[in-house]
Amino acid sequence: DAMVIQNPRYQVTQFGKPVTLSCSQTLNHNVMYWYQQKSSQAPKLLFHYYDKDFNNEADTPDNFQSRRPNTSFCFLDIRSPGLGDAAMYLCATSRDRTGPTEAFFGQGTRLTVV
Amino acid sequence: TQLLEQSPQFLSIQEGENLTVYCNSSSVFSSLQWYRQEPGEGPVLLVTVVTGGEVKKLKRLTFQFGDARKDSSLHITAAQPGDTGLYLCAGKRGEYGNKLVFGAGTILRVKS
Repeated sequence: DAMVIQNPRYQVTQFGKPVTLSCSQTLNHNVMYWYQQKSSQAPKLLFHYYDKDFNNEADTPDNFQSRRPNTSFCFLDIRSPGLGDAAMYLCATSRDRTGPTEAFFGQGTRLTVV
Repeated sequence: TQLLEQSPQFLSIQEGENLTVYCNSSSVFSSLQWYRQEPGEGPVLLVTVVTGGEVKKLKRLTFQFGDARKDSSLHITAAQPGDTGLYLCAGKRGEYGNKLVFGAGTILRVKS
């Protein structure tokens, strides 16, 4: 059974047209992460939530925003996608904020910008 | 500068060969994790190492955490085509230790 679900799996958007990616989890985990991953590179942390506490990475562009309306759902909003934003976007959850707890990843959303 | 440095970046070997992937940092980590990612999928956790000097085995995979908890290695014995993928080490950083950051990854290709 899928525990971290990302929708859609594939998203095509026009240059400059706002797009929202969604993530839901059935694990009731406190921590949710959004990563950007470009081809054959490591996932790059964009931001994460501990419960409702939002933590933005210093080098995450302002073009990227996030919302977490409740424990189960988290959204990634790209306000004006550029060609350089084409990537795989990964959502992950973790039970605790500290300790060696496992991160569970969704299957990702592949974003194409045309 | 990458907090976690992985080497090699790319490895192409024949089925049956052994290999080792390294993950190094100048920082101490309370734990390190190894993930494997297949194309078009999210990473999946292989192992977590917590204690300095710890060795964990997962079938043909052997993971070691350095004594100083700054480095880790992944050794695969008798690699198989099914081992092909992107191998990522990861550790937690940040004020509360809740930022999971990844190394650049090692792309492994095992040819039959």
